Amino acid sequence: DAMVIQNPRYQVTQFGKPVTLSCSQTLNHNVMYWYQQKSSQAPKLLFHYYDKDFNNEADTPDNFQSRRPNTSFCFLDIRSPGLGDAAMYLCATSRDPGYSNQPQHFGDGTRLSIL
Amino acid sequence: GESVGLHLPTLSVQEGDNSIINCAYSNSASDYFIWYKQESGKGPQFIIDIRSNMDKRQGQRVTVLLNKTVKHLSLQIAATQPGDSAVYFCADLTGNQFYFGTGTSLTVIP
Repeated sequence: DAMVIQNPRYQVTQFGKPVTLSCSQTLNHNVMYWYQQKSSQAPKLLFHYYDKDFNNEADTPDNFQSRRPNTSFCFLDIRSPGLGDAAMYLCATSRDPGYSNQPQHFGDGTRLSIL
Repeated sequence: GESVGLHLPTLSVQEGDNSIINCAYSNSASDYFIWYKQESGKGPQFIIDIRSNMDKRQGQRVTVLLNKTVKHLSLQIAATQPGDSAVYFCADLTGNQFYFGTGTSLTVIP
């Protein structure tokens, strides 16, 4: 039944060691989003893909990159994780929100820990 | 609008009472608003939405009110139940980008 699937649910990596988080969707939505959520805080938008067009938020560090090889999959790459990057990472999808005004669908997130 | 870095306000209500959760947004160009419920260890779950050409929308036990003049959104939950305990976020849409408000942690006391 899960429509936005994030793997893994928990990820542990070492300080400075690159890590990739993955997201897949079965909804065929054209927009995919990555959010960072720290404890007791609101999700913070990192970037989104509108189809193949990548849209970065101005304050997203260069350390964070993303790839979307096809409609169904989107990856978040953290090139050199620091202790401050420990957080829940949420993936979401939506269908043409600026046109259709439809809500996002979220995965259950990947909780990233940095050793 | 975005409210990143602020810690969650909390609201405690007695089971059976009504709850009101408030949210302020900053972008007057926002034209679509959503309330999400987030339980521990899960992603945000859609509750109800409202477009900017409306003032009020009702769902099952939930009502959203939009006041564009003061850029304020509220979520009313009728007859609050223990299963309503969660963090509630509002989000607004500008272009293709959804931005989250600060959120409120709701605790229902049995």
